[in-house]
Amino acid sequence: DVKVTQSSRYLVKRTGEKVFLECVQDMDHENMFWYRQDPGLGLRLIYFSYDVKMKEKGDIPEGYSVSREKKERFSLILESASTNQTSMYLCASSPVFNTEAFFGQGTRLTVV
Amino acid sequence: RKEVEQDPGPFNVPEGATVAFNCTYSNSASQSFFWYRQDCRKEPKLLMSVYSSGNEDGRFTAQLNRASQYISLLIRDSKLSDSATYLCVVRGAYGQNFVFGPGTRLSVLP
Repeated sequence: DVKVTQSSRYLVKRTGEKVFLECVQDMDHENMFWYRQDPGLGLRLIYFSYDVKMKEKGDIPEGYSVSREKKERFSLILESASTNQTSMYLCASSPVFNTEAFFGQGTRLTVV
Repeated sequence: RKEVEQDPGPFNVPEGATVAFNCTYSNSASQSFFWYRQDCRKEPKLLMSVYSSGNEDGRFTAQLNRASQYISLLIRDSKLSDSATYLCVVRGAYGQNFVFGPGTRLSVLP
């Protein structure tokens, strides 16, 4: 069974803090993704990585960076958290070819 | 125009009803198609992949029309447990991103 694990279910951070969201997958998938989900806006891609140390910007990369030093781990970094980054963050992984994405349980981040 | 569009919903149906969800996508190069289900405050989970020939899994039937760039999901004999948001998802060729529709919320009423 594929497992994608996000480091926290709930997180509360202060404005201006640097925030790290961690995601680990155990299926040797090449692709990993970070999405945020907001009411009325659906899932929006922040960044994705198609291999170790490789990354591509998604639709809303501003204010975020990512790191993928090992194949199984993909980290999302909020350089200086702001209240408009309060959201549900979802990590996903998939093999390269035509199979589905597997999601972690999500991290609900609140920035105060 | 959004890349993936779905019926806006919500759909409120009685138990036992048949309900159909519609989805259109704009990128003709899309290669893979899926329906996901998302329960409130949970992560999306794969309901079924969608193939050109159409496919069925119990009460669920998915269809794909590449010429019209249209995907559908039919749920027969709705159960209370089918209440969720249904997400239409498409993926491009080799290693590309998944693009999610906005979702259609379904409430099955007793």
